[in-house]
Amino acid sequence: DAKTTQPTSMDCAEGRAANLPCNHSTISGNEYVYWYRQIHSQGPQYIIHGLKNNETNEMASLIITEDRKSSTLILPHATLRDTAVYYCIVRALSGSARQLTFGSGTQLTVLP
Amino acid sequence: DAGVTQSPTHLIKTRGQQVTLRCSPKSGHDTVSWYQQALGQGPQFIFQYYEEEERQRGNFPDRFSGHQFPNYSSELNVNALLLGDSALYLCASSLGTANEKLFFGSGTQLSVL
Repeated sequence: DAKTTQPTSMDCAEGRAANLPCNHSTISGNEYVYWYRQIHSQGPQYIIHGLKNNETNEMASLIITEDRKSSTLILPHATLRDTAVYYCIVRALSGSARQLTFGSGTQLTVLP
Repeated sequence: DAGVTQSPTHLIKTRGQQVTLRCSPKSGHDTVSWYQQALGQGPQFIFQYYEEEERQRGNFPDRFSGHQFPNYSSELNVNALLLGDSALYLCASSLGTANEKLFFGSGTQLSVL
């Protein structure tokens, strides 16, 4: 069963911020929010993860709502190379639920 | 520093045959997981190997089996191939079984005719 809900597709203009939403209303207290992306013909690539605080790294920022029922991945200055399928995943780091369960993701297309 | 490498990149088999796919993990990683990705879908977890043993398994039949070698590399074997086994098979490696960050290879595209 899918634990996350994401829009099927989104467009973003090159150079603008891309904001990708994810709903995870049934997230448990020990589950993290992970984001991966998959560029065409490549394997998925780790982007970022967080538990309840906002996180930022060299690739993106992750904003998690206070009730943890939704999150937003932000690519601050999207480029054409950011065109990919973005997967939002909730998972624990221990126990039987620690494996990544991918849904269908969001196809982000960055337009010139 | 080599990332995760998989071989072959493409493979064509016929129904009923057997296939072996290979994976070398990223340097320093000791855990290998295998995923199946059908066209237009997200990857589905097959199983995970750590210390040469299968540690977790997804909802896949016994026709799917694996092995991990002392150098941490791994093989995925699929017996009695079905048309529905046509997919991209992805290998991912990590340090330890918590999979805090998985590194994926580019996959093996298997076509079953």
